[in-house]
Amino acid sequence: DVKVTQSSRYLVKRTGEKVFLECVQDMDHENMFWYRQDPGLGLRLIYFSYDVKMKEKGDIPEGYSVSREKKERFSLILESASTNQTSMYLCASSPSLVKTQYFGPGTRLLVL
Amino acid sequence: GENVEQHPSTLSVQEGDSAVIKCTYSDSASNYFPWYKQELGKGPQLIIDIRSNVGEKKDQRIAVTLNKTAKHFSLHITETQPEDSAVYFCAAPVTGGFKTIFGAGTRLFVKA
Repeated sequence: DVKVTQSSRYLVKRTGEKVFLECVQDMDHENMFWYRQDPGLGLRLIYFSYDVKMKEKGDIPEGYSVSREKKERFSLILESASTNQTSMYLCASSPSLVKTQYFGPGTRLLVL
Repeated sequence: GENVEQHPSTLSVQEGDSAVIKCTYSDSASNYFPWYKQELGKGPQLIIDIRSNVGEKKDQRIAVTLNKTAKHFSLHITETQPEDSAVYFCAAPVTGGFKTIFGAGTRLFVKA
């Protein structure tokens, strides 16, 4: 079974802090994604990566950056956390950009 | 831009009844339509998908139908059970791009 793990289930941070969310997949998938999930808005794509060191902006990249130094690991970085970044963050991986995505359990981030 | 609309946002049914969730998409070239189920505290998981060369696909109590002319697809759950209670997302890829657009989600309640 594909396994996608996220470093934290819950995080509480203060405004202005730099926040790192880590995601690891164990199926050698080329593609990895970061979404944020907010009530009534579904899943919105922040960034995705189709190869090591490659990244593309999604629909809402402002305030975020990403890093993919190794194939199995995709990190989301909030350079200076703000209260409007309080949300559920979901990582996913996929063998193809238009096939099934496998999601991690999510990280619920609260920015105070 | 490309869009996926999902209805209803909330659905409440009695155990044993059927549930139907509908989605429309805008990219006429989309050719893959997955449905994900998200249980409380977990990431979304694929439950069924359909490709554009078929009109219907069934897996035990769940089925998906696709109408390419009208650009809509639906999830049907028969003989609902309490464990079907979850949030369901439809999705469609953006052709020529590198992403999948998700619907806003439907929260299904199955009352025992």
